[in-house]
Amino acid sequence: AAGVIQSPRHLIKEKRETATLKCYPIPRHDTVYWYQQGPGQDPQFLISFYEKMQSDKGSIPDRFSAQQFSDYHSELNMSSLELGDSALYFCASSLEGNNQPQHFGDGTRLSIL
Amino acid sequence: QKEVEQDPGPLSVPEGAIVSLNCTYSNSAFQYFMWYRQYSRKGPELLMYTYSSGNKEDGRFTAQVDKSSKYISLFIRDSQPSDSATYLCAMKPYNTDKLIFGTGTRLQVFP
Repeated sequence: AAGVIQSPRHLIKEKRETATLKCYPIPRHDTVYWYQQGPGQDPQFLISFYEKMQSDKGSIPDRFSAQQFSDYHSELNMSSLELGDSALYFCASSLEGNNQPQHFGDGTRLSIL
Repeated sequence: QKEVEQDPGPLSVPEGAIVSLNCTYSNSAFQYFMWYRQYSRKGPELLMYTYSSGNKEDGRFTAQVDKSSKYISLFIRDSQPSDSATYLCAMKPYNTDKLIFGTGTRLQVFP
């Protein structure tokens, strides 16, 4: 079965640079979620979108923004990168509805030098 | 205190053993409960999903939820070396998209 596709898998940036992470949800899934997982930590919710509108917001820094496009894929834009932004960034997708389970991609590993 | 507590392990068991993984939580608003399996350098893979107290079985896996005690469990029967991974419990209230994860339990099943 098709899964959530994230690109790139690995990304290396320097401080103060910008980065864009992409997420392609499972076909027919219209809701996407972004999580950040630091080393040895559990995933932390950043933001979610349904039908191109922000659905919920968590601990996302002001330096980060995200959007969902008409084909339901989503992009997480990160600016003024800091060393502490080094982490795994996961995207998840689901069908619409509070009772729908979230299915995760394999993540983008972002390293800030 | 974290909203979701999970023993980090590591838990090491022989092949064929029954494994019990547990999480406790403090927020009575949690309505949906999930178990994910995460292999190294991979994303969390959904194993079990439930929103009611009681047991739910899927193959070798059984998820148990006790809302009155704020306690959930995952049982793995006939454990296999391929089950070696980190197991994360996750839960959320009705009116939010945010999953709250436990810290994960590392499981190793040796032949």
